[in-house]
Amino acid sequence: EAGVTQFPSHSVIEKGQTVTLRCDPISGHDNLYWYRRVMGKEIKFLLHFVKESKQDESGMPNNRFLAERTGGTYSTLKVQPAELEDSGVYFCASSQGRAALTDTQYFGPGTRLTVL
Amino acid sequence: GQQLNQSPQSMFIQEGEDVSMNCTSSSIFNTWLWYKQDPGEGPVLLIALYKAGELTSNGRLTAQFGITRKDSFLNISASIPSDVGIYFCAGHTGANSKLTFGKGITLSVRP
Repeated sequence: EAGVTQFPSHSVIEKGQTVTLRCDPISGHDNLYWYRRVMGKEIKFLLHFVKESKQDESGMPNNRFLAERTGGTYSTLKVQPAELEDSGVYFCASSQGRAALTDTQYFGPGTRLTVL
Repeated sequence: GQQLNQSPQSMFIQEGEDVSMNCTSSSIFNTWLWYKQDPGEGPVLLIALYKAGELTSNGRLTAQFGITRKDSFLNISASIPSDVGIYFCAGHTGANSKLTFGKGITLSVRP
């Protein structure tokens, strides 16, 4: 069974440009999460989808970030316009959707975003 | 907000040694998780703990969920070179599905 996949693995852009990250969850997983790790810091929650609906977007930094999950399958995270502080590794995770406390989240390899 | 504290940032041990990592919080968590991240990969779940006081093993790894629900530790016994990586503790409060992570500890194992 394929794991969570993310594209691209690396992206280097200039400040002010737009970047779109993609995540394909494990097939059949209703829950999809986005997290971000800035170098040396903790992995921080950004948002949570249940199927195509945003369940919790309390971690989104500001309105330059837009996440979508049309059709409840893959998800995209767009940053527009990108700023220097947006640099970091963006992880996607998915889970089946059982009780929150025991629902294992499986992580993708991440997209390393560098904003120059 | 809720935070999980892991220190030190890096640990260096000799192959064959045991190592212990702690994770503490000022808030209660109802699930404690330990993840490992290898270079170029995403975090992989090592051990999940669901009950206060629970002690769980997975091969050479042992982890415990503290009685106060505010801490957890991970022990690695007889370390080997492939134990190198970043070890993150994470927790669930149960109020929602998001995970709170610590900053991670980078483990180096000298052959």
